[in-house]
Amino acid sequence: RKEVEQDPGPFNVPEGATVAFNCTYSNSASQSFFWYRQDCRKEPKLLMSVYSSGNEDGRFTAQLNRASQYISLLIRDSKLSDSATYLCVVTTMDSSYKLIFGSGTRLLVRP
Amino acid sequence: NAGVTQTPKFQVLKTGQSMTLQCAQDMNHNSMYWYRQDPGMGLRLIYYSASEGTTDKGEVPNGYNVSRLNKREFSLRLESAAPSQTSVYFCASSGASGANVLTFGAGSRLTVL
Repeated sequence: RKEVEQDPGPFNVPEGATVAFNCTYSNSASQSFFWYRQDCRKEPKLLMSVYSSGNEDGRFTAQLNRASQYISLLIRDSKLSDSATYLCVVTTMDSSYKLIFGSGTRLLVRP
Repeated sequence: NAGVTQTPKFQVLKTGQSMTLQCAQDMNHNSMYWYRQDPGMGLRLIYYSASEGTTDKGEVPNGYNVSRLNKREFSLRLESAAPSQTSVYFCASSGASGANVLTFGAGSRLTVL
C-alpha cells in the first residue's frame, strides 16, 4: 500500500463547477499536510498548507480528517486555469525533511 | 529573482556514462533536495541536505551521489547511468518558511539509452 494515495483522475469538469479531491495517507503519525499544484511539464508549486482546523484561500478549501486519515481539496467556481495536476504531500514523523508525495490527481476544466 | 536554477534542462546519456546535475538557489535557504518523478509514481526523494555540510539518503539513493558544495549549490551525480534512471529530476530548497515548504527548480529531463 502506498503511503499517500490519490485518485489519478482525470476529473473533467465544466467551467464554474465545484470539484473535490481526496487523498488518503497510511501513517497515522503524519504531522504536516500540503497541496501542491503541478502544470504539465512544469515544476510543482505550493498551493496551500492543510491545517487541522481547515483553511480557505479564495476558491480553494483544504480539510484534514485525522480520524479517517485523509485530506481534501475543494475548488469552487472552476476556471480553465485550474487545469493541472494536484499533488497531496505529507511529512513523516521521523523527519520533517522527508516529504511524501502522492502521484497526483489530474484536473481538466473545459469551457 | 531566479529562485532555484537547475542545469541542464535536457540530457541524453548512454548506459554507463556519468553526469552531474547542477542546482543553485539564491534564496539563502538552508535545506536542499533532489527528487525524481516518474509516471504514476509521484516525486521520490533521492537525497537531501538539511544544512550546509550535511547530506542524507532519501527513499531512492542507489546509483546516485550528491555534494553540498556550499549553501547555494547542491549537485547530483550519476556515476554509471542506467536506463532505470531515465526520469525527470527536480531540485528543491526550503528555508525560513519551514522545512516543509519547497521551492522547486524547473526540472531536468534525463534519458538513458
